[in-house]
Amino acid sequence: GAVVSQHPSRVICKSGTSVKIECRSLDFQATTMFWYRQFPKQSLMLMATSNEGSKATYEQGVEKDKFLINHASLTLSTLTVTSAHPEDSSFYICSAREMGSPLHFGNGTRLTVT
Amino acid sequence: QKEVEQDPGPLSVPEGAIVSLNCTYSNSAFQYFMWYRQYSRKGPELLMYTYSSGNKEDGRFTAQVDKSSKYISLFIRDSQPSDSATYLCAMSAHYGGSQGNLIFGKGTKLSVKP
Repeated sequence: GAVVSQHPSRVICKSGTSVKIECRSLDFQATTMFWYRQFPKQSLMLMATSNEGSKATYEQGVEKDKFLINHASLTLSTLTVTSAHPEDSSFYICSAREMGSPLHFGNGTRLTVT
Repeated sequence: QKEVEQDPGPLSVPEGAIVSLNCTYSNSAFQYFMWYRQYSRKGPELLMYTYSSGNKEDGRFTAQVDKSSKYISLFIRDSQPSDSATYLCAMSAHYGGSQGNLIFGKGTKLSVKP
């Protein structure tokens, strides 16, 4: 079945630095990938839709200058958290959909900003 | 009223028990219903996917959708300790390009005791 790989699984960074998270579709091409954020005991919240070859579409309330998304190829989307602050600490998850199939998720990245 | 309501639990059952997990929703346009299993610090894994009303069975898992009541269920028979996880319901009105607009429940944390 479809596999979505996300890297790194865990990252700790200092306040003010930037962190890049990668999301890869391993055995299929994904023209669209999705980025979510999940706080403890909360549901997944869609942050943005990443479109290959074009600008990402951000959900209301998500700062596009803070959460930079690049979808440079059909198998890779990256999320960069710029100038991270402790309140950005969360679990970030990407997903992608193979044509004709429901969404498959990566294993998530736990970001801790100190 | 939230679009999707799901009791967060936690739900604790003995091994071998039948587990019933449920979600209610308010948007009558929802047609696609999914159940995801999420282990701690991992991304969600698709368990069951159904369209419109009816039942779907896969091994020990049965998904039910009652659109008239706006109520969906996931049953787990002969529950195992390895079933211990958080179960998220998700639903969408559209299957196509806006698949990222899945609406998730908060998830129910299940613990199956040996």
